[in-house]
Amino acid sequence: GENVEQHPSTLSVQEGDSAVIKCTYSDSASNYFPWYKQELGKRPQLIIDIRSNVGEKKDQRIAVTLNKTAKHFSLHITETQPEDSAVYFCAASAYGGATNKLIFGTGTLLAVQP
Amino acid sequence: DADVTQTPRNRITKTGKRIMLECSQTKGHDRMYWYRQDPGLGLRLIYYSFDVKDINKGEISDGYSVSRQAQAKFSLSLESAIPNQTALYFCATSDSLRPQHFGDGTRLSIL
Repeated sequence: GENVEQHPSTLSVQEGDSAVIKCTYSDSASNYFPWYKQELGKRPQLIIDIRSNVGEKKDQRIAVTLNKTAKHFSLHITETQPEDSAVYFCAASAYGGATNKLIFGTGTLLAVQP
Repeated sequence: DADVTQTPRNRITKTGKRIMLECSQTKGHDRMYWYRQDPGLGLRLIYYSFDVKDINKGEISDGYSVSRQAQAKFSLSLESAIPNQTALYFCATSDSLRPQHFGDGTRLSIL
């Protein structure tokens, strides 16, 4: 079955710097890759997603890149702010994309130092 | 606002007890999921259901059972709770067009 690995497990950056979180997946049939942000004590919330027919997607300060050949995808946050501090989860889904079961990475705790 | 509601939000119980966690949604989604979150392990899928007559095991279904009572309700049961089932449990919903939306979670402690 699908396996998703996520690195690093913790990341500390200075406010204004960029942050990059990387994930690899094992199932070449995976075709949908969402990223969720979970603030302390809150529910995970979708922040951006990408499908396998696209190599990059941007939404303001957030971007996701996908390399299907290498089976890895990354989250890029530019101009980080203290409110970006949270746990970020990547996930992958096969055979139906967004509406099928998701396999999550183990999460990255991002701390943005003011 | 349409949402996903989990009850209870917190529960402390003893080993061997039967526990039911409930999830209801007003989003009109047909697909529902139960996840377990443990520190350092991310979110792991326990069971999922694509409609009322469809139940599927996820990554870690042993020790759990589910019931899809209606399109809007999906409950998770621990028949005989054990301490290593102490975790944060999330319900999520989706449909054929929209990605998964999570509830606020149930924090379960088994002593």
